Amino acid sequence: GNSVTQMEGPVTLSEEAFLTINCTYTATGYPSLFWYVQYPGEGLQLLLKATKADDKGSNKGFEATYRKETTSFHLEKGSVQVSDSAVYFCAFHTDKLIFGTGTRLQVFP
Amino acid sequence: DAMVIQNPRYQVTQFGKPVTLSCSQTLNHNVMYWYQQKSSQAPKLLFHYYDKDFNNEADTPDNFQSRRPNTSFCFLDIRSPGLGDAAMYLCATSRDWRASGTSQETQYFGPGTRLLVL
Repeated sequence: GNSVTQMEGPVTLSEEAFLTINCTYTATGYPSLFWYVQYPGEGLQLLLKATKADDKGSNKGFEATYRKETTSFHLEKGSVQVSDSAVYFCAFHTDKLIFGTGTRLQVFP
Repeated sequence: DAMVIQNPRYQVTQFGKPVTLSCSQTLNHNVMYWYQQKSSQAPKLLFHYYDKDFNNEADTPDNFQSRRPNTSFCFLDIRSPGLGDAAMYLCATSRDWRASGTSQETQYFGPGTRLLVL
């Protein structure tokens, strides 16, 4: 069945460190892929998306590339900030959004 | 700015006392969604509307109902809240992707209403 697998958190980093949050999916066909971010006490915000294979989504220094061959959509950022501390959800859309379990990122000064 | 608005941000109710959560949008999207999110979990879809066409998820309890009087507004009614219904409730909107293809299915979320049941 359709599912998203994300690396378990929390991910704890120092400011300016490199970030990778792994995401793989199981789906029929080639759905659009999304990363949503949820700051403490807030709703979800769309961070980036990619709609077809080899597309790279990017926003606010975050990037993710749609890899059809590995069914992955890993989130990366070259230099994290304390303000990036949040929960990150990988998702894809079939007839509805299928979310991963979320990965909490904690960035310390 | 076009947006999805949820009021109130925090709602306290008593066990068994009906409660209504509101969502409005200025995006003019014809699809609206309600999600329940419990602590440290992913959002769980409860139901959604394509215009006035209501679509209930198979595992959504009967205790949860929804109304959409017009394009801009959608309500979540919890008829008899239990302690297990305490959660964040998220409203989201999107364009109707069924006709327009994959470019239209991005969902835009409101800030959520945190429900506390005493």
